[in-house]
Amino acid sequence: AQKVTQAQTEISVVEKEDVTLDCVYETRDTTYYLFWYKQPPSGELVFLIRRNSFDEQNEISGRYSWNFQKSTSSFNFTITASQVVDSAVYFCALRRGGSQGNLIFGKGTKLSVKP
Amino acid sequence: KAGVTQTPRYLIKTRGQQVTLSCSPISGHRSVSWYQQTPGQGLQFLFEYFSETQRNKGNFPGRFSGRQFSNSRSEMNVSTLELGDSALYLCASSPGQSSYNSPLHFGNGTRLTVT
Repeated sequence: AQKVTQAQTEISVVEKEDVTLDCVYETRDTTYYLFWYKQPPSGELVFLIRRNSFDEQNEISGRYSWNFQKSTSSFNFTITASQVVDSAVYFCALRRGGSQGNLIFGKGTKLSVKP
Repeated sequence: KAGVTQTPRYLIKTRGQQVTLSCSPISGHRSVSWYQQTPGQGLQFLFEYFSETQRNKGNFPGRFSGRQFSNSRSEMNVSTLELGDSALYLCASSPGQSSYNSPLHFGNGTRLTVT
């Protein structure tokens, strides 16, 4: 069975703090894809990053960075020097390879960044 | 390039009624997926269409149905509405059949309230 766990339901930080959002996944597939999405109050899910199971290279994009570790089945997301605009719900998602390619989402982590 | 457009934005219906939601994908995208988001269950996959054919279906009762037109626009229908159908319904599009390697691009959603 496929499963994504985001243990942190809500996180509150003060602006300029660094924050890490945890994501642990379960799958028996050898080929799979991991995603992070951001959902601001407007409701739209905004794509942030995709990783495939064969690429464990960490990635940095501006203040955002992602750490993918197959050994611990984790795909954590760090925001450096957080800003108020980062306040949103963040979802980690898993997608199997092949034709059954729907996304399996975690429950999400609500991040509040206070000024 | 215009994003995924969902109409209407908000909808209020009564138990027992039926409802149709509409989704226009990003121009050139041929795959459309639907997800239901509720506070209790989170984001759950409903179905996916490609070239007017349902390619994948989630674990929802037959009251939930969908279709895709030749211009890739999609509609989903919920018949005999129940209170538990109150949710945010999100539509997402992706470029093509091998969409598991492409991120989904989501619309703002339709907020359905059943009273």
